[in-house]
Amino acid sequence: KAGVTQTPRYLIKTRGQQVTLSCSPISGHRSVSWYQQTPGQGLQFLFEYFSETQRNKGNFPGRFSGRQFSNSRSEMNVSTLELGDSALYLCASSLGGSNYNEQFFGPGTRLTVL
Amino acid sequence: KNEVEQSPQNLTAQEGEFITINCSYSVGISALHWLQQHPGGGIVSLFMLSSGKKKHGRLIATINIQEKHSSLHITASHPRDSAVYICAALAMDSNYQLIWGAGTKLIIKP
Repeated sequence: KAGVTQTPRYLIKTRGQQVTLSCSPISGHRSVSWYQQTPGQGLQFLFEYFSETQRNKGNFPGRFSGRQFSNSRSEMNVSTLELGDSALYLCASSLGGSNYNEQFFGPGTRLTVL
Repeated sequence: KNEVEQSPQNLTAQEGEFITINCSYSVGISALHWLQQHPGGGIVSLFMLSSGKKKHGRLIATINIQEKHSSLHITASHPRDSAVYICAALAMDSNYQLIWGAGTKLIIKP
């Protein structure tokens, strides 16, 4: 069974631009969570999508948004990029549902904002 | 104060040493994750436990619910164990979201 895939793996943008990151979960997984990891910081939770609906949201500004498609693939969008948005963005998929299920992580997208 | 605290932040040891990484939490939890992150970013789930002890190869994870403390042990450590080890707590009232520790960076020297 293929793991979680994320595209692109690396991205360089300039301030003010916008970016879209993609995450394909493990087949059969319906939940996708997104995290931001900056140097020296732990993972910061962005949001979680389950069955095309945002189920949970972290404390990030509205410039960070996401969506999930009917095939459970998810995209994350960051508008009006700032230097501080440079980070590793990780997505994790899980079965979802009403109980907690183990999360499986993708390799991440490393975003650099210049 | 963070709800999940890990210690030490950094750990350097010689190959073969017994390694212990600690995780303390201040909230009621239903489960605790231990994960490993290698240079380059990929994260792998090692254990998810809610009581007692789990073992996989040279890795052992224990949890004491009353003391709100968990430990990850590595026996006969090897340079390939060098990674960041992260604990994450599934708080009881969190709507299935994890509270993440800051990670412990482990370096095993040959």
